[in-house]
Amino acid sequence: GAVVSQHPSWVICKSGTSVKIECRSLDFQATTMFWYRQFPKQSLMLMATSNEGSKATYEQGVEKDKFLINHASLTLSTLTVTSAHPEDSSFYICSALSPGRTEAFFGQGTRLTVV
Amino acid sequence: AQSVTQLDSHVSVSEGTPVLLRCNYSSSYSPSLFWYVQHPNKGLQLLLKYTSAATLVKGINGFEAEFKKSETSFHLTKPSAHMSDAAEYFCVVSPPYGGATNKLIFGTGTLLAVQP
Repeated sequence: GAVVSQHPSWVICKSGTSVKIECRSLDFQATTMFWYRQFPKQSLMLMATSNEGSKATYEQGVEKDKFLINHASLTLSTLTVTSAHPEDSSFYICSALSPGRTEAFFGQGTRLTVV
Repeated sequence: AQSVTQLDSHVSVSEGTPVLLRCNYSSSYSPSLFWYVQHPNKGLQLLLKYTSAATLVKGINGFEAEFKKSETSFHLTKPSAHMSDAAEYFCVVSPPYGGATNKLIFGTGTLLAVQP
C-alpha cells in the first residue's frame, strides 16, 4: 500500500512552453502533498506544500507564479512549470503523507529538460 | 529548528564488507528520523524510520540504524554490502507525527559506491 505515482517520468520541452507534472496517490487519500526539486548531485529542496482544496504554501525563494500547484482532489496534485527556461531543468519529486503513517511516500520523480 | 548533517558525501566499500553511513541531527524536540535510498533517476524509497519506539531500527535489505540521543546520531549500517546497494542515501528528520508542518528536512546525501 501507500503508492505514489508521478507522471511523466521524463519530459523535454522548448523554452517558453509550460509543462504539467502529476502526482497521484494510488491507494490512499492524501490531504497533503509536497513538491521537491533536486539539482544534480544535490539533496532535495522543498518547493511547496500542497493542501487539498486550498492554496499551496510556497517555500521562501520559490516563485508561485512560475510553479503553479493545484491539489484539486485527495489523490491528485499537479505542478505546472510555466514559461519554462533551461534553468528550470531539474528533477522534480513529489511526496504524500498517508493518514495514520509516519513516513512520506515518494513518487518516482520527473526529469525535466528545457531546451 | 531542525537540521540534519550527513558527514560523508561519498563512501566507497568493497562488496561483502560492512557499510556505515553517518548522520547527526539537531532538533529542539524528539524528532522522527528516516533513511531513504535513491537509485539514479528514481524516486526515494524508505529504508527505515525511527519514531520514538525502539532505538535500534531494522529496515529493508539488511539495513539498520541506531538512534543515539546522547550523540544526536542516527547512523545507517549494514553488515555486508551488495553491489545493488550502490545508490544515494538520505538521512531525513521531521517533527513527530502530527507536528505543525510535517515537513521533511533532508541531509545532503551520501553516495555509496560498492566495489567488486
